[in-house]
Amino acid sequence: QKEVEQNSGPLSVPEGAIASLNCTYSDRGSQSFFWYRQYSGKSPELIMFIYSNGDKEDGRFTAQLNKASQYVSLLIRDSQPSDSATYLCAGRGRYGNNRLAFGKGNQVVVIP
Amino acid sequence: AAGVIQSPRHLIKEKRETATLKCYPIPRHDTVYWYQQGPGQDPQFLISFYEKMQSDKGSIPDRFSAQQFSDYHSELNMSSLELGDSALYFCASSSRQGVTQYFGPGTRLTVL
Repeated sequence: QKEVEQNSGPLSVPEGAIASLNCTYSDRGSQSFFWYRQYSGKSPELIMFIYSNGDKEDGRFTAQLNKASQYVSLLIRDSQPSDSATYLCAGRGRYGNNRLAFGKGNQVVVIP
Repeated sequence: AAGVIQSPRHLIKEKRETATLKCYPIPRHDTVYWYQQGPGQDPQFLISFYEKMQSDKGSIPDRFSAQQFSDYHSELNMSSLELGDSALYFCASSSRQGVTQYFGPGTRLTVL
């Protein structure tokens, strides 16, 4: 079992709609979580991080963390064609090492 | 703002050859991480360094070694290259007190 799971297939959303992405994690002691955006062949680009239960908003992006249920989500409001990319969820370990464990990613396609 | 620098950006090698990848972290970042991303895969943690000492080790083959130098740049040395080593290799950096890792543009290694 991967430490971080992203099980949804490719997501197609119309321009201007909300895209919703979810991931779950297995290590209850994980401290913080990150959403990265990755365009094909490019490096992961940090969108947001969250470490407290609840919501965190940054512009068109909202991250949600529920530690009791061990899931993290990302909402993208007013989706734009430039949001078309793979979104990687990552968790950071609890034991002082800072390695990131990534989910396999979700591809988002915003249709103009 | 200055970002993580990686060189070379592209590298083509034959089987059984050696390769050296370089990473220059963001100024004042003292921690460097290496990740390997195979085609269609999520990034996998290889190894990290803090203040020139190895701080964590992941799924790095014995054929690979790495170090961090006094100016905080890091090098990943890969020997006896195999076809399966073909991948994108990302370096990320953070400050020890920082939560987030910032990724470099990556080195695309192709082993023929």
